[in-house]
Amino acid sequence: DIQMTQSPSSLSASVGDRVTITCRASQSIRTYLNWYQQKPGKAPKLLIYAASSLQSGVPSRFTGSGSGTDFTLTISSLQPEDSATYFCQQSYNTPRTFGQGTKVEIK
Amino acid sequence: EVQLLESGGGLVQPGGSLRISCAASGFTFSNFALTWVRQAPGKGLEWVSTIVGSGSNTYYADSVRGRFTISRDNSKETLHLQMNSLRAEDTAVYYCAREGAGMVRFDSWGQGTLVTVSS
Repeated sequence: DIQMTQSPSSLSASVGDRVTITCRASQSIRTYLNWYQQKPGKAPKLLIYAASSLQSGVPSRFTGSGSGTDFTLTISSLQPEDSATYFCQQSYNTPRTFGQGTKVEIK
Repeated sequence: EVQLLESGGGLVQPGGSLRISCAASGFTFSNFALTWVRQAPGKGLEWVSTIVGSGSNTYYADSVRGRFTISRDNSKETLHLQMNSLRAEDTAVYYCAREGAGMVRFDSWGQGTLVTVSS
């Protein structure tokens, strides 16, 4: 199985800050990498697919990059509504696997 | 608008069975693969099972293979997960999710249904 490792596990940042979350795969997954946002008590929401494509309706302050084994989710200017947990997920093969999550808090 | 609505969760004893369902609307149901993803309390996301649009192919996580069966009724636009021999570690919120084009992303999710396995 492909292991997905996110860092950091949590972070606290101020409104307007640039925030970066990284995700590393245990083997190359090309660009088969997705990012999801989950707020407490809610279902996950797709933000970024295929490493860098923005899902329809998602604000442009969210960007994804990377290929192979190393990927990044960037929030260019953190907003209060971005307080959530973010998960990466590989769709290169089955079983689909997720990172452990990164909790983003607003200072 | 794509909508997925899970139902059937509840409390079941270890070793028991439960069937959960997901009613879909707002898209051509048979054109899309569907997946169950679960989340244990306070934990991360775990892929459980996927079924292709026609229902001809299914995939399972090792942790549930042989105990869970995924199925779909395209005439009723409904997805099912039959769970047998349930264990305490199966306790989780179970989400159904639609797989987007190419089966490479979960682009729509239901609100989830809680399954609790406890005596």
